[in-house]
Amino acid sequence: DSGVTQTPKHLITATGQRVTLRCSPRSGDLSVYWYQQSLDQGLQFLIQYYNGEERAKGNILERFSAQQFPDLHSELNLSSLELGDSALYFCASSVAAQSAYGYTFGSGTRLTVV
Amino acid sequence: GQNIDQPTEMTATEGAIVQINCTYQTSGFNGLFWYQQHAGEAPTFLSYNVLDGLEEKGRFSSFLSRSKGYSYLLLKELQMKDSASYLCAPHHNNNDMRFGAGTRLTVKP
Repeated sequence: DSGVTQTPKHLITATGQRVTLRCSPRSGDLSVYWYQQSLDQGLQFLIQYYNGEERAKGNILERFSAQQFPDLHSELNLSSLELGDSALYFCASSVAAQSAYGYTFGSGTRLTVV
Repeated sequence: GQNIDQPTEMTATEGAIVQINCTYQTSGFNGLFWYQQHAGEAPTFLSYNVLDGLEEKGRFSSFLSRSKGYSYLLLKELQMKDSASYLCAPHHNNNDMRFGAGTRLTVKP
């Protein structure tokens, strides 16, 4: 157990729907990062939050949004889902906004859009 | 932006040594991470290089040349469990850490 908790582990939904993925960072970590990994693809950086504030933005679609709450957990909202959104979504956390200690990843949420 | 280049696939024999190269172009460079990822699992941290040179950690070593935009991961005494993808990730000062596509290593008996 890495200490980063992601729920749900698996999610199957239909095109056009909206889902929310949840991440609880490791205790003491203030930064949360979201990544998308499609089948046999690399990790695509989506967005980072630090202590409730958006810190960095990657290739995140306008249909996607995220936030980090006062208790530091984060949610990634995916709307108007398309087949191509099927992927593993990873959350990672780190102590600081810029961490040389690496990021600790959760076990991911596998999203299947049918 | 960043350009990160790694070989797509490599194959090696159990007990051998393999070197996985990574070249990158990025601005505001802080250091470079290497992660290991088994299929369908979360990436796990292997190393972080800030200074030029080789850092050894058990069977795994990582090398960095900042001036050349080059790093490699060296795996010694390969074991079957080392079959995984190895991800190179330059880390820069806007904290936008992006990963290369990864090198899929297959270790054969």
